[in-house]
Amino acid sequence: EAGVAQSPRYKIIEKRQSVAFWCNPISGHATLYWYQQILGQGPKLLIQFQNNGVVDDSQLPKDRFSAERLKGVDSTLKIQPAKLEDSAVYLCASSLEVEGNYGYTFGSGTRLTVV
Amino acid sequence: GENVEQHPSTLSVQEGDSAVIKCTYSDSASNYFPWYKQELGKRPQLIIDIRSNVGEKKDQRIAVTLNKTAKHFSLHITETQPEDSAVYFCAASRREGGYNKLIFGAGTRLAVHP
Repeated sequence: EAGVAQSPRYKIIEKRQSVAFWCNPISGHATLYWYQQILGQGPKLLIQFQNNGVVDDSQLPKDRFSAERLKGVDSTLKIQPAKLEDSAVYLCASSLEVEGNYGYTFGSGTRLTVV
Repeated sequence: GENVEQHPSTLSVQEGDSAVIKCTYSDSASNYFPWYKQELGKRPQLIIDIRSNVGEKKDQRIAVTLNKTAKHFSLHITETQPEDSAVYFCAASRREGGYNKLIFGAGTRLAVHP
């Protein structure tokens, strides 16, 4: 089974610039998540999709972050404009969400550095 | 909303010893508790999980226990090996509207010394 694909692996931008991350979940996984992991902390949920609909975006800073999942497959997360505190690893995860199998599979993440 | 606290933040053991990591959660409706292992620069990987209808689950050298009354759960690693060195995250969630929303602890950095 192919894993969750993310790109790019690394990105360095200046503050106030914009950046976009891409995620392709495991085939057949209807639920997709974006998490932000700041160095030394646990992953923090930003947004959760079920197919192409948003289930939860309560923790997404909507003044600068946006995400979409057109066609219910791959997803993009955008930050515009970026701030220094946005420096983190952005993890995408997907899950099958069937009875007895609730585990997430994470992608390798995109490490963002804002300078 | 759910809040998960994890301790210790760092743990150092000798190879062959046991390691225990503990987590507490705040939402009594949470019913799914996975543990993830994250090696340096790599993705978190699910190593074991437990649902609220059982008190303990074991998989080779790894076990998880759950105390619903006290709202805490623990990861036990026996006969630790250097390759167990990593950051371990606990998480808690409840099924709501057919979906899980995992809330993670801050992580425990485990170092196993040969």
